Amino acid sequence: NAGVTQTPKFQVLKTGQSMTLQCAQDMNHEYMSWYRQDPGMGLRLIHYSVGAGITDQGEVPNGYNVSRSTTEDFPLRLLSAAPSQTSVYFCASSEGGTDTQYFGPGTRLTVL
Amino acid sequence: GNSVTQMEGPVTLSEEAFLTINCTYTATGYPSLFWYVQYPGEGLQLLLKATKADDKGSNKGFEATYRKETTSFHLEKGSVQVSDSAVYFCALSDWGGYQKVTFGIGTKLQVIP
Repeated sequence: NAGVTQTPKFQVLKTGQSMTLQCAQDMNHEYMSWYRQDPGMGLRLIHYSVGAGITDQGEVPNGYNVSRSTTEDFPLRLLSAAPSQTSVYFCASSEGGTDTQYFGPGTRLTVL
Repeated sequence: GNSVTQMEGPVTLSEEAFLTINCTYTATGYPSLFWYVQYPGEGLQLLLKATKADDKGSNKGFEATYRKETTSFHLEKGSVQVSDSAVYFCALSDWGGYQKVTFGIGTKLQVIP
């Protein structure tokens, strides 16, 4: 099993550009989440999904969109990148309930 | 709301020293508690977990006991190695209609030979 995969690993954007961070899992997990990791702030939840076709906002959703058309994929879209979105982004999945989360390797995004 | 408190560090220890990283939490329900570890350049991975009061989670020589009376889940290891150098995150997972996971800010551990 590949587990949770994320692409790209690194990305540099200019302010105002848009892009999609890809996330896929092959464990048939219902729950998927996107987090951002910033120094001194730990991980903060951006958006999450409890199954295909169902998404909801987390703690810091502004400037990001998500969709979940399949169980496997959960892309994160930056609509108009801003320097405040410079961060490391992690995708995670879990079977549900209060289970262990499985994390991808992360995408390091820099917005100039 | 739920919260997790842990020191940010860095914590610097010599090899074979005893490690304690404190974690306290606030939760309205009966959460599961986790320690995740992040090695440089990687994503987080589960180190250990406990799902109810007085449970002890253990893995790779690390231990933590779920203490409901003190709302704590402190991480301990008797003898650290250089390879334990990483960032350690305490987290709680609660159910409020969906899985809600709250992370601490992470404690950076550096072990020197």
